[in-house]
Amino acid sequence: KAGVTQTPRYLIKTRGQQVTLSCSPISGHRSVSWYQQTPGQGLQFLFEYFSETQRNKGNFPGRFSGRQFSNSRSEMNVSTLELGDSALYLCASSLLAEMPLYEQYFGPGTRLTVT
Amino acid sequence: AQSVTQLDSHVSVSEGTPVLLRCNYSSSYSPSLFWYVQHPNKGLQLLLKYTSAATLVKGINGFEAEFKKSETSFHLTKPSAHMSDAAEYFCVVGYNTDKLIFGTGTRLQVFP
Repeated sequence: KAGVTQTPRYLIKTRGQQVTLSCSPISGHRSVSWYQQTPGQGLQFLFEYFSETQRNKGNFPGRFSGRQFSNSRSEMNVSTLELGDSALYLCASSLLAEMPLYEQYFGPGTRLTVT
Repeated sequence: AQSVTQLDSHVSVSEGTPVLLRCNYSSSYSPSLFWYVQHPNKGLQLLLKYTSAATLVKGINGFEAEFKKSETSFHLTKPSAHMSDAAEYFCVVGYNTDKLIFGTGTRLQVFP
C-alpha cells in the first residue's frame, strides 16, 4: 500500500504570495490532518478533515485554509505569505475519525521557504 | 489543560548502551499515548501506541514504552542503541477532544 504523499516536496515563495500544498492519504483513509513544524514552535496542529468536512482546527490565522475532496485528497492554502510561515508542513492520514485512538500516518512533508 | 512534556531535549548514548527518553502527560482523562520518530528530512513514523490495553507496549525496532498511571509517564526505552536510531522522537497524547498534542521532541544522538 502506498504511503501518504505530499507535493511539492520543496517550495520557495515570496512574501505576500499565496501557496497551495497537496496531500494524498493512504488508500482507504478518510481523515487527513495538517501540521506545521518549525524549530521554534515544534509541531503545531493546523486542521483536520474527515469526509470533506473540517472537524477540528488549531490556532492559526484565517490565512491558513484547507479542503478535502471526495477522494479524500486534501489541499491546504496559505494566503499573503509571511516570513514566519517558513516551515515543514506535514500531512497525516488516519483510517477513522476517532483520531486519538488511531495512529496517524505521516507524509514526508513540504518544505516551504518564504523570502 | 492537556499537555505533554518531554523532559530531555537532547539525549546522547553510545552504540550498544540502553536508551531512555522520558515523557510525562497531564492527566485529565485516560489518554491514548504514542511515540513517533522523525529522521532528518522525513515525516514522522509511528513507533508504538498505548490505548488502555497492556501497560508495557512493544513497538518497532526494539523500542518499548511503559504506561505508568501513578506517575503519569510513558517513557520510551530500548536495551541497546544502534546508530540508525539517531533521530528526533516525539511523545504524543490524544485525549477525547479529538486532537493530538505533540511534545517538543527529544533529539537522540548515538555515538560509535
